[in-house]
Amino acid sequence: IVLTQSPGTLSLSPGERATLSCRASQSASNYVAWYQQKPGQTPRLLIYASSTRATGVPGRFSGSGSGTDFTLTISRLEPEDFALYFCQQYGNSLYTFGQGTKLEIK
Amino acid sequence: EAQLVESGGALVQPGESLRLSCAASGFTFGKYWMSWVRQTPEKGLEWLADIRQDGSEKLYVDSVRGRFTLSRDNAKNSLYLQMDNLRVEDTAVYFCARDVGISKTTNWWFDVWGQGTMVAVSS
Repeated sequence: IVLTQSPGTLSLSPGERATLSCRASQSASNYVAWYQQKPGQTPRLLIYASSTRATGVPGRFSGSGSGTDFTLTISRLEPEDFALYFCQQYGNSLYTFGQGTKLEIK
Repeated sequence: EAQLVESGGALVQPGESLRLSCAASGFTFGKYWMSWVRQTPEKGLEWLADIRQDGSEKLYVDSVRGRFTLSRDNAKNSLYLQMDNLRVEDTAVYFCARDVGISKTTNWWFDVWGQGTMVAVSS
């Protein structure tokens, strides 16, 4: 499975809506997880099972999709949301990550 | 609070070996599958291997199978990664992570990550 995230870089302003895409090369799983990583920090689980927010994750983060197309949406960007985002799937006895989308302040 | 702390990263030469450790606390370590994941700026995150709760099953990505060996000691709440015949391309930050998911499905993810340990392979 190859996970392709788009765009590679997304430039937006606080308060705007962010839509991050993750496309799988094959439909090996109906599930995806999303992680946020800030510089010098460890990845943080945001979303699992495609649409379930992890404990403590704000409601502005939502996930959707199935099959080969998945989306992470941040409804109104806060300054702390500007970071690197990865999607991840499990299938065929191995885990795969997307290459990441960098969300930067415009 | 569940925590993972890696150690053992170092600068080594190609062909040498290194053993990474991951100390778990704040949860019942022996109840979880555990993984190692590495990260480089060029390749991003790469899952390497995971191990069943009792150590009876281990899965590896092709790029490390035969060179890396995963083990665990539930009595010591510890996970290990023995890395042999290291290559320049193994240079990365190595994370241990806790696998969580639904058995017999593809719905699996990582809910706890360590802070990472740096491995540099260079002559």
